[in-house]
Amino acid sequence: DGGITQSPKYLFRKEGQNVTLSCEQNLNHDAMYWYRQDPGQGLRLIYYSQIVNDFQKGDIAEGYSVSREKKESFPLTVTSAQKNPTAFYLCASSRPGVSGNTIYFGEGSWLTVV
Amino acid sequence: GDSVTQMEGPVTLSEEACLTINCTYTATGYPSLFWYVQYPGEGLQLLLKATKADDKGSNKGFEATYRKETTSFHLEKGSVQVSDSAVYFCALIGTNAGKSTFGDGTTLTVKP
Repeated sequence: DGGITQSPKYLFRKEGQNVTLSCEQNLNHDAMYWYRQDPGQGLRLIYYSQIVNDFQKGDIAEGYSVSREKKESFPLTVTSAQKNPTAFYLCASSRPGVSGNTIYFGEGSWLTVV
Repeated sequence: GDSVTQMEGPVTLSEEACLTINCTYTATGYPSLFWYVQYPGEGLQLLLKATKADDKGSNKGFEATYRKETTSFHLEKGSVQVSDSAVYFCALIGTNAGKSTFGDGTTLTVKP
């Protein structure tokens, strides 16, 4: 089945550690995104990529890094510079210019700092 | 910049009641409008969309009409079910991949 796979579903991080969240899609979408969702709140864009080997900062990129070496993959690293990383992270993808730029989401990853 | 304002929640209804969740927007250009639904601990699922003014999106008994004159995209359902309990997000997505704006979400609880 086509879709977006995020892993792990739950991740615990000690303060000072970097962690990487995986995101893979088999929808053949050009654009991929990372959003952060805090409890009871909306989505905030961290990074997005429109094409392989290129990505742009979103509204809250500080303390995060990404790479886009393959069309299917867009991993997010939460660095130790991110002061409050505990949140729900959502990966998404779309095919710009098609179907109103509909964005499709993965199931999300919970990150908790312990 | 672009913005989306959703009706504040939470909203609690009895089964078979009518639902309206208000959504208004400000935008430059000609964005598409969306409603997404999120169940606890899960990602967002596309509920319906409209890509131009006067379009009506519909799915699973839910409807919303893209009204440019009132800059609104209100979500409606004539008879809600317990299984409709979830968080609903209104979103505006422009032609640029980075131009996505989501509302804060409205929590709906339907009681039997």
